[in-house]
Amino acid sequence: DAKTTQPPSMDCAEGRAANLPCNHSTISGNEYVYWYRQIHSQGPQYIIHGLKNNETNEMASLIITEDRKSSTLILPHATLRDTAVYYCIVYQSSNTGKLIFGQGTTLQVKP
Amino acid sequence: EPEVTQTPSHQVTQMGQEVILRCVPISNHLYFYWYRQILGQKVEFLVSFYNNEISEKSEIFDDQFSVERPDGSNFTLKIRSTKLEDSAMYFCASSEVLMAGNGYTFGSGTRLTVV
Repeated sequence: DAKTTQPPSMDCAEGRAANLPCNHSTISGNEYVYWYRQIHSQGPQYIIHGLKNNETNEMASLIITEDRKSSTLILPHATLRDTAVYYCIVYQSSNTGKLIFGQGTTLQVKP
Repeated sequence: EPEVTQTPSHQVTQMGQEVILRCVPISNHLYFYWYRQILGQKVEFLVSFYNNEISEKSEIFDDQFSVERPDGSNFTLKIRSTKLEDSAMYFCASSEVLMAGNGYTFGSGTRLTVV
């Protein structure tokens, strides 16, 4: 089972920041937090990942709390094309690459 | 930007028939994966493959399933005798190293419909 908890759905106005929360209270020290998204029925798309520090790339920012029990994915200026299901995944670096997807958060960006 | 290519995009097959889903991973990638997603449900891991061997497989990946990298470029998933419940989107993915900074790259999927 997924080790994360996410709200099932969220709305965001176009042009505003979308803040997607994720709880991973049982995360262990060698586990990373990865975020993927799935637009309609396409293949999941990698967004960002982190271990302890906050991370930023061209797509998003990832804020991880100091105790690492939760994180927030931030899309700074959401567009209609960001409407998708967003998955927060905890991954252990010693794994064979298996990702366990939960139900994710369906983000609806509205005009 | 490099892509993972999956063919066909949609396949319809009769129950009991064998199907082969094809994937062309990104050329310098070494790790390969298959996932599936039944309509309206979660994305589920099927199998990971490295160095011509299965690294890990899920409970779903029973004896009816097999994977192969026949020629150094293609990566295939075979279902020997399809069942109605095998109807799903099947996604192939690849990565250069195990969970590289960019994670995996997924293909756009093959929609398998078993009738």
